[in-house]
Amino acid sequence: GAVVSQHPSWVICKSGTSVKIECRSLDFQATTMFWYRQFPKQSLMLMATSNEGSKATYEQGVEKDKFLINHASLTLSTLTVTSAHPEDSSFYICSATGTTNEKLFFGSGTQLSVL
Amino acid sequence: LAKTTQPISMDSYEGQEVNITCSHNNIATNDYITWYQQFPSQGPRFIIQGYKTKVTNEVASLFIPADRKSSTLSLPRVSLSDTAVYYCLVGESGGSYIPTFGRGTSLIVHP
Repeated sequence: GAVVSQHPSWVICKSGTSVKIECRSLDFQATTMFWYRQFPKQSLMLMATSNEGSKATYEQGVEKDKFLINHASLTLSTLTVTSAHPEDSSFYICSATGTTNEKLFFGSGTQLSVL
Repeated sequence: LAKTTQPISMDSYEGQEVNITCSHNNIATNDYITWYQQFPSQGPRFIIQGYKTKVTNEVASLFIPADRKSSTLSLPRVSLSDTAVYYCLVGESGGSYIPTFGRGTSLIVHP
C-alpha cells in the first residue's frame, strides 16, 4: 500500500523556537495533503489542507502565520510551527491522498513538546 | 459534509466478533465510507472502504445497508492487539473532500 513518511517522530524544543515537520509520500503523488493535530484522548482535528503549488487552506481558528504549510512538490509537504509555545505541544499528523481522494494515507505522527 | 456518529467505547474479549456501527444519516450519493484504526501515538491506518452492500478484506468486513445511512465494521475474532480507536469517515471520491474525524470508538479487548 501507499506509504507516507513523517519526520521527525518526536521533537523537544524551547519556547520561542520554530520547528519544521516533513511529510513525504514515498510511492505515489499526493495531490492533496492534510495536517491534523491531536491532543491526548481526543480525536484528530484538521488544521489545514494543502494542494501542491498553491496556498494552504486553514480551518477556522488555526493561525496561518503560526502554522506555516508548504506543499512545494507532489511528494512533500512541510508544517512549520513558528515561535512555538507550550500550548503548541501536541501530536501532529499528516495525511495524503492521490487522484482518488477518498482514501487517506497517514504519516506516523510527530510528538511536539515545547518547554 | 456528512456527519458521523459512533459509540464512544466498546469492550470485548479475545476471540469474539466485534461489530462497530457508524451512523451517517446525511450521506451523499457520491460518498464512500472508510474506516481507520489508530493506536496510541501513531497515525491512523486504513482498514476498509465501501460504497454499498458488503466488502470484506483480510482484516475486516464492512456492511452497508441499502439506504447507506449507517455502516457496520465487523472484526472477526479480535485479539488484544485490536485494542485501538476506530474511526469511520464518509467522503466523495474526486471531489473537494475535507476529511473530518468524529470522536471515534475506543475498543478495548480483554484477555
